[in-house]
Amino acid sequence: EDQVTQSPEALRLQEGESSSLNCSYTVSGLRGLFWYRQDPGKGPEFLFTLYSAGEEKEKERLKATLTKKESFLHITAPKPEDSATYLCAVKGFQKLVFGTGTRLLVSP
Amino acid sequence: DGGITQSPKYLFRKEGQNVTLSCEQNLNHDAMYWYRQDPGQGLRLIYYSQIVNDFQKGDIAEGYSVSREKKESFPLTVTSAQKNPTAFYLCASSKQGNSGNTIYFGEGSWLTVV
Repeated sequence: EDQVTQSPEALRLQEGESSSLNCSYTVSGLRGLFWYRQDPGKGPEFLFTLYSAGEEKEKERLKATLTKKESFLHITAPKPEDSATYLCAVKGFQKLVFGTGTRLLVSP
Repeated sequence: DGGITQSPKYLFRKEGQNVTLSCEQNLNHDAMYWYRQDPGQGLRLIYYSQIVNDFQKGDIAEGYSVSREKKESFPLTVTSAQKNPTAFYLCASSKQGNSGNTIYFGEGSWLTVV
């Protein structure tokens, strides 16, 4: 069965303090790994799709990387507006499977 | 702008009532989905549809029903058989269902049982 585990569950950073969120996965036949940002009371907002090990994508202060077993979302010099829950999901031969997310709080 | 529109944003249901959540997309996507989100749990798939007039049950379909009469629309009915319906419901769509296409989400609907 396909599985996704995100860590840590919650992360508190000071503004400017870089860090990484982890998404470990097991999947039969990876067709895509997805990162989303979700603000309280809103739908997930798409960030990145990664398809193969070694692939990297960047957007502003965020950079996503992928290996055969895990993905990292690196946040460089975060700002308070980066505070949100970050969700990871994987798609194999079957349905899309979501992790439970990492709640990020960036303090000024 | 293209996107996914869910309505209403907030809905209250009395015991024994059926309620319907609306989902419309103008992205020309073939596949549409309904997810349920509860605190501390990952998103769980309720129903999905890959083409018009066809849909499949997800992991937690009991107590829910859907229809897909138009490509743009995928309404979800929460029936009185759903014993714990209070949750945040998310509609989503993608170009195709059985591939690595990105799934995009609407803004969600809150359903509360009163």
